Amino acid sequence: EAGVAQSPRYKIIEKRQSVAFWCNPISGHATLYWYQQILGQGPKFLIKFQNNGVVDDSQLPKDRFSAERLKGVDSTLKIQPAKLEDSAVYLCASTSVGQPNSPLHFGNGTRLTVT
Amino acid sequence: AQSVAQPEDQVNVAEGNPLTVKCTYSVSGNPYLFWYVQYPNRGLQFLLKYITGDNLVKGSYGFEAEFNKSQTSFHLKKPSALVSDSALYFCAVASGNTPLVFGKGTRLSVIA
Repeated sequence: EAGVAQSPRYKIIEKRQSVAFWCNPISGHATLYWYQQILGQGPKFLIKFQNNGVVDDSQLPKDRFSAERLKGVDSTLKIQPAKLEDSAVYLCASTSVGQPNSPLHFGNGTRLTVT
Repeated sequence: AQSVAQPEDQVNVAEGNPLTVKCTYSVSGNPYLFWYVQYPNRGLQFLLKYITGDNLVKGSYGFEAEFNKSQTSFHLKKPSALVSDSALYFCAVASGNTPLVFGKGTRLSVIA
């Protein structure tokens, strides 16, 4: 099966600019996650979707971050305006069921550099 | 709040020797424990998980992990390390409906 697809692979922007990341999960996977991985740290949870609805966005900095999954398949994560501390790899993951005991399938991530 | 500790930033082991990567956790309720591996410029790959049952779980590439409830640990092990095992390893925990929380990672270096 095809894996989780993410684009772009790399993005460099200046602070205060906006940026968007795209994720296409594994076909048939209803549950989609976004994680932020800062260099030298483990991935940090941002948001969870079940189909096209938000299940948990408790860790998403909503003053500058937004995410959507309008048709229950692809998802977009946006940052506006970006700050230097947003430099990180943004990982998308999916799973067929939304249970916490289900392994996540991760994409290769988008590496964001904010200058 | 749940948390994961990986006390070693780096583990070095000679090829053919056994390896252990340590992980301890803190969680309310019953834990779901995972190990993931990350190769350079790649996403995380699932290795193994403990949900319930036998404390020793076996996973991909010959890895195994032992759940120890009294010590709240879930150490990753392999009897004989390969150079190709060199990568970044992450322990993670969830409980109930909480999202997966990751440790900071341990870099494993297997030397030929």
